Amino acid sequence: EVQLVESGGGLVQPGGSLRLSCAASRFTFSIHWMSWVRQAPGKGLEWVANIKEDGSEKYYVDSVKGRFTISRDNAKNSLYLQMNSLRAEDTAVYYCARGQLGMSDGGAFDYWGQGTLVTVSS
Amino acid sequence: EIVLTQSPATLSLSPGERATLSCRASQSVSSYLAWYQQKPGQAPRLLISDASNRATGIPARFSGSGSGTDFTLTISSLEPEDFAVYYCQQRRDWPLTFGGGTKVEIK
Repeated sequence: EVQLVESGGGLVQPGGSLRLSCAASRFTFSIHWMSWVRQAPGKGLEWVANIKEDGSEKYYVDSVKGRFTISRDNAKNSLYLQMNSLRAEDTAVYYCARGQLGMSDGGAFDYWGQGTLVTVSS
Repeated sequence: EIVLTQSPATLSLSPGERATLSCRASQSVSSYLAWYQQKPGQAPRLLISDASNRATGIPARFSGSGSGTDFTLTISSLEPEDFAVYYCQQRRDWPLTFGGGTKVEIK
């Protein structure tokens, strides 16, 4: 069974930084688009960022552009999200999600991790 | 940005009943629409991709239809484990967007 395990969440002050990691296993990581999706407490889902299989293309929601950076290390089967200049409105559970195989834009999110909570507060 | 509007916000039904959930897009998304189920404290689970393709392991009671701007997720006969929140999501254009969700609750 595909496994995605996020880590790196926690409490951070406004303006601070945090780096999330997602360890992938039991599938060929390097041939899938990967994504970060977040969910504020009691709210709906919000897509954050996508990265192509080889890291050559990256896409972001406007609210995080210039502050967040998605990256991956295919040799380590790992996905990352570097989050800088954090704001209270970034408080959410952050999920790592896998894109469907063979889709030029990543496709739907066919597997999800359990999420890691990021709280931005003073 | 493509806005997805889900209706109703809450659907109160009994086990065995048929559930019909709607997702309307602010502009055409062709068939690039997915449906997810989320239970409390859990990650979302993919049910349907590309409007009508059931994901691996998803029971046949779940079906998706539609194209362009109007989509429907149908649960033919609700099982106790189907009471959850359902989200639609489009991948026609960046940014990817989700609908606000429909909660299916026990009546």
